[in-house]
Amino acid sequence: KAGVTQTPRYLIKTRGQQVTLSCSPISGHRSVSWYQQTPGQGLQFLFEYFSETQRNKGNFPGRFSGRQFSNSRSEMNVSTLELGDSALYLCASSPLGPVGNQPQHFGDGTRLSIL
Amino acid sequence: AQKITQTQPGMFVQEKEAVTLDCTYDTSDPSYGLFWYKQPSSGEMIFLIYQGSYDQQNATEGRYSLNFQKARKSANLVISASQLGDSAMYFCAMSVTGGGNKLTFGTGTQLKVEL
Repeated sequence: KAGVTQTPRYLIKTRGQQVTLSCSPISGHRSVSWYQQTPGQGLQFLFEYFSETQRNKGNFPGRFSGRQFSNSRSEMNVSTLELGDSALYLCASSPLGPVGNQPQHFGDGTRLSIL
Repeated sequence: AQKITQTQPGMFVQEKEAVTLDCTYDTSDPSYGLFWYKQPSSGEMIFLIYQGSYDQQNATEGRYSLNFQKARKSANLVISASQLGDSAMYFCAMSVTGGGNKLTFGTGTQLKVEL
């Protein structure tokens, strides 16, 4: 069974640009969550999607947005990139809805660097 | 709000020995889940073990076991018979029932297994 697939693996952008990251969950998994990992702030929850609807949102500015498609694939978008957005962005999927207390399975991440 | 505390930034262990990674948590929710993840230098997050707050027995998965002490709010990970491939960053995390699949992570412990 294929795991969570994130594309691209690496990305370099400049300040002010926008970026779209993609996540394909494990087949049959319907919930997708996104996390940002930085050396200074650690791992922080961005948002969670289930049935094409955002179910949970972390404490990030509106420049960070996402969506989920009918096949459960998800994208996140960051507009007007800032240097502080440089991070590893991790996507995780789980089989059930946003019920909590179930293991989430992560992809390899997208490493975003802002110049 | 939930909080996870990992007080050991780095640990060393000799190959074939057991090691305990500490984790304490704080939440006012009575129903929650506790997780441990491994992150090698390549970046992917690997799910290791899960403990539910109402589980009577400590969780075990192969060489991993979770020492759950509810009254002390601790959920330490025990790795038996350490292997060189266990060298990685280890994160303790939690979610609460009704909070969706949002995971709150600790700051992690860097484990180095030596010959």
